[in-house]
Amino acid sequence: DAGVIQSPRHEVTEMGQEVTLRCKPISGHNSLFWYRQTMMRGLELLIYFNNNVPIDDSGMPEDRFSAKMPNASFSTLKIQPSEPRDSAVYFCASTRETGRNEQFFGPGTRLTVL
Amino acid sequence: AQSVTQPDIHITVSEGASLELRCNYSYGATPYLFWYVQSPGQGLQLLLKYFSGDTLVQGIKGFEAEFKRSQSSFNLRKPSVHWSDAAEYFCAVVGYGNKLVFGAGTILRVKS
Repeated sequence: DAGVIQSPRHEVTEMGQEVTLRCKPISGHNSLFWYRQTMMRGLELLIYFNNNVPIDDSGMPEDRFSAKMPNASFSTLKIQPSEPRDSAVYFCASTRETGRNEQFFGPGTRLTVL
Repeated sequence: AQSVTQPDIHITVSEGASLELRCNYSYGATPYLFWYVQSPGQGLQLLLKYFSGDTLVQGIKGFEAEFKRSQSSFNLRKPSVHWSDAAEYFCAVVGYGNKLVFGAGTILRVKS
């Protein structure tokens, strides 16, 4: 079985540009999570979806960040405009049942904003 | 609010030695607890989890963890460390709204 798929694996962009990160969860999983990992702040939950509906976006840092899940097999995290402080590794994770079950993590997207 | 504390940022052990990584949590109800491992450049992989029942939980790669409610702890142990265990380890608790709350992580170095 394919795990959680994220693309791109690496992204280098210039300040002010739009960045779109993509995630395909494991088939059959109905919850999807976006995390950001930095040295300073560790792992932070940005937003999570249940059955394609955003449940909690309290971790989204500001309006420059937005996330969508148009269907059960695809989600995007967009940053517009990007800033150097957005440089981090962004992880997507999915699970079959929020809370009790293991979250399966993708390999992450390493974003560098110059 | 729920929180997880991993008091050790770095730990270095010799190959073959025993290992214990500490984790303390703050959560009012019965916690759901996890240990994840992250190798460099990789995502997180689940080592083990605790929901209820036996307080000593066995996981993959020879790891185990013991839930102690009286100490609000969920420490990870391994009797004999291998060089391939070098990685970063995260303890997590399911908190309000079914969200995972992670600790800051402990980086394990293994010396030969």
